[in-house]
Amino acid sequence: GAVVSQHPSWVICKSGTSVKIECRSLDFQATTMFWYRQFPKQSLMLMATSNEGSKATYEQGVEKDKFLINHASLTLSTLTVTSAHPEDSSFYICSASGRGRNEQYFGPGTRLTVT
Amino acid sequence: QKEVEQDPGPLSVPEGAIVSLNCTYSNSAFQYFMWYRQYSRKGPELLMYTYSSGNKEDGRFTAQVDKSSKYISLFIRDSQPSDSATYLCAMISGGYNKLIFGAGTRLAVHP
Repeated sequence: GAVVSQHPSWVICKSGTSVKIECRSLDFQATTMFWYRQFPKQSLMLMATSNEGSKATYEQGVEKDKFLINHASLTLSTLTVTSAHPEDSSFYICSASGRGRNEQYFGPGTRLTVT
Repeated sequence: QKEVEQDPGPLSVPEGAIVSLNCTYSNSAFQYFMWYRQYSRKGPELLMYTYSSGNKEDGRFTAQVDKSSKYISLFIRDSQPSDSATYLCAMISGGYNKLIFGAGTRLAVHP
């Protein structure tokens, strides 16, 4: 199956700093990448969708200036949490789909803790 | 009413049992259906992908779609303790790329 990696797998940062999370498709070209947030014992909440070379489309209620998404190539998307605060602590997961495909392949997730 | 309904469980079964997981949906535009398995603190893993009514089998897993009833199922045969995880159904409309997830069912298979 298609493989998606994320880095880092976990990160601890201080309040007010920025954190960048990388998402890579390792064996296919990801024309569309997605970023999700998941709280304990809850389902995934879509934050934004990005197509390669285009600006990301954010879901309602997600601050685009706080969660910066870049999809610069067909294998890499990044999520930067700017000026992080403790309420941003969560499990962030990316997914990717190939051209003309509906199924999404997920990365292993990144656990962010803001102190 | 949610677009996708899924019983969150937990569902506890003995090893070797046949597990039945189900989702219902209300949007008749959904055309593509997926089942994901998610272990604690991990990303979801795609188990099954179907787009037509009927059954699809892959090893111990069988996905069933009934579009007329707006009902999908995942069956796990000969369940193992390693199957203990949360199972998420997801679906998508044609022409869109946004997955709509169920709440997830927590499954525990005990030896």
